[in-house]
Amino acid sequence: AQKITQTQPGMFVQEKEAVTLDCTYDTSDPSYGLFWYKQPSSGEMIFLIYQGSYDQQNATEGRYSLNFQKARKSANLVISASQLGDSAMYFCAMRAAGNNRLAFGKGNQVVVIP
Amino acid sequence: NAGVTQTPKFQVLKTGQSMTLQCAQDMNHNSMYWYRQDPGMGLRLIYYSASEGTTDKGEVPNGYNVSRLNKREFSLRLESAAPSQTSVYFCASSEGWSPYSNQPQHFGDGTRLSIL
Repeated sequence: AQKITQTQPGMFVQEKEAVTLDCTYDTSDPSYGLFWYKQPSSGEMIFLIYQGSYDQQNATEGRYSLNFQKARKSANLVISASQLGDSAMYFCAMRAAGNNRLAFGKGNQVVVIP
Repeated sequence: NAGVTQTPKFQVLKTGQSMTLQCAQDMNHNSMYWYRQDPGMGLRLIYYSASEGTTDKGEVPNGYNVSRLNKREFSLRLESAAPSQTSVYFCASSEGWSPYSNQPQHFGDGTRLSIL
């Protein structure tokens, strides 16, 4: 069974600073994918970044990057140069081999302060 | 560019009433999903449809039924609503599975359902 763990309490980060959100996962499948989604207070789910288990390099998308440590089974999201609009819940999710089902973590709350 | 459309956006039901949540996607995706989101619980998969004509149970299917009406539409039905089903419901869609696909699921805006 797949399991995603996000255990950080709510985080406050100063505008323009970087923030790292932790995500660890557990799976026995050698082939899997990891996704991060953002959920602002308005409620929609916004896809941010993807990392495949066979990808040789860490994924990057604009101000988002993924610190992927396969041996430690961690996929931490790094948001650089935080903006007020980054205040949201962030969810880590994993897709295992053979299907497109996602298992979600419980989320990390981020509040960016000016 | 609608993406995934869910109706209604809000609904209040009484215990025992029935209701169908509607979902439609215009991205020609093969796979569709229904999740519920409860405070502190993240998203949990209720049912999914890997392709038109197939449906499968997810993590929390009890009390729900689904219908994949066609490739675009995937509905979720509560036959006899219970207060424990008060939640925010999300529909999502994605391309069909392939080993190295990096395509994400695309989500609708959610339906906020309260059962009294």
